Amino acid sequence: DSGVTQTPKHLITATGQRVTLRCSPRSGDLSVYWYQQSLDQGLQFLIQYYNGEERAKGNILERFSAQQFPDLHSELNLSSLELGDSALYFCASSVSEDRPTYEQYFGPGTRLTVT
Amino acid sequence: AQKITQTQPGMFVQEKEAVTLDCTYDTSDPSYGLFWYKQPSSGEMIFLIYQGSYDQQNATEGRYSLNFQKARKSANLVISASQLGDSAMYFCAMRDYKGGANNLFFGTGTRLTVIP
Repeated sequence: DSGVTQTPKHLITATGQRVTLRCSPRSGDLSVYWYQQSLDQGLQFLIQYYNGEERAKGNILERFSAQQFPDLHSELNLSSLELGDSALYFCASSVSEDRPTYEQYFGPGTRLTVT
Repeated sequence: AQKITQTQPGMFVQEKEAVTLDCTYDTSDPSYGLFWYKQPSSGEMIFLIYQGSYDQQNATEGRYSLNFQKARKSANLVISASQLGDSAMYFCAMRDYKGGANNLFFGTGTRLTVIP
């Protein structure tokens, strides 16, 4: 158990809908990262938050947004869903100090299926 | 731009034997980190081992070791004494620190199957 929690574990929804994925980082971790794993794109970085502020952006679509709340949990919002958004979405966190050597600990993921 | 290459889509190894999973990388940043993660069929990503670009010695964690050859830009994972539970996808990842970003760039993965 990495200490990172994600809910829900599975999500099935229809095209055009909007969903919210939730992540709670490990205790004391200030950085949260979101990744998408799909069959055609592999594992891709979406976005990073550090202590409530957006730190870095990857290949995140404009239909997707995220935020990190004062209690450090994070939510990833996916809107106007398309079939191609079906994927495993991971949240990861790293230790509170912004040091590059620290590994990221991944949550169990949320499997999103868009029908 | 960062790039991670894993050229072995699948590998087979006999139980109790050692296996090497290949990873090459490309970056212009002198400061970077290299990671290996394991993803079993259940889906979670499990951190295995880390190597920093300035580390003088190869990293080891139990049965896992990282064969780091900086000049060749390779960071191969060696698993010794393979076990059935090692059957999984293995991902090599790199992280650099430009602009304060710490995200990981992943390779396409290698599926390891351990044969009894």
